[in-house]
Amino acid sequence: KNQVEQSPQSLIILEGKNCTLQCNYTVSPFSNLRWYKQDTGRGPVSLTIMTFSENTKSNGRYTATLDADTKQSSLHITASQLSDSASYICVVRVSGGSYIPTFGRGTSLIVHP
Amino acid sequence: DTEVTQTPKHLVMGMTNKKSLKCEQHMGHRAMYWYKQKAKKPPELMFVYSYEKLSINESVPSRFSPECPNSSLLNLHLHALQPEDSALYLCASSQEVPSGRAWGYNEQFFGPGTRLTVL
Repeated sequence: KNQVEQSPQSLIILEGKNCTLQCNYTVSPFSNLRWYKQDTGRGPVSLTIMTFSENTKSNGRYTATLDADTKQSSLHITASQLSDSASYICVVRVSGGSYIPTFGRGTSLIVHP
Repeated sequence: DTEVTQTPKHLVMGMTNKKSLKCEQHMGHRAMYWYKQKAKKPPELMFVYSYEKLSINESVPSRFSPECPNSSLLNLHLHALQPEDSALYLCASSQEVPSGRAWGYNEQFFGPGTRLTVL
């Protein structure tokens, strides 16, 4: 069964600090992995997309890594800001077959001043 | 215009009411989706429209009735809902339902959602 597991479930950090969110998946065959940021009561917004051949991709203060061998991805947030408080969702798609993505449960990040 | 809009933002309805959620995009996308999201849970796919035709219904109860009047609009008609149907309803669109080499690559653009409360 295709699964996407995220950790931690929730995280509280101080403004200016860095943090790393984890995503492990069993989706196969793998096509791509996206990280979304979802503010409370809003729709998810894509931060990065990574395919099988990509190891690292950055989007401003967000850096995603992918290890396709161990089926792990991480999202690193540098110099956190209050506006980073949100849920971060890892979404994985299979290659061929069903095009319905598999969503992780998300990590709830709270940044305190 | 790279935006998916949804109306209304909030909706409160009784179990005997009939209401509709609306979604609109002007990015030329040919695939549109309805998701339901409960608090602290990931979005759950409900329906997929491809080229204005319903291509996926994830065993959604008939009290939810989708409609795609044209390539830019997607509606979700609600009737005789239950309190457990209260959730954030998200609309999304993508260039098209992925196929061939583009399997899974089409980014889904999400709308801001409609917060639905059923009393």
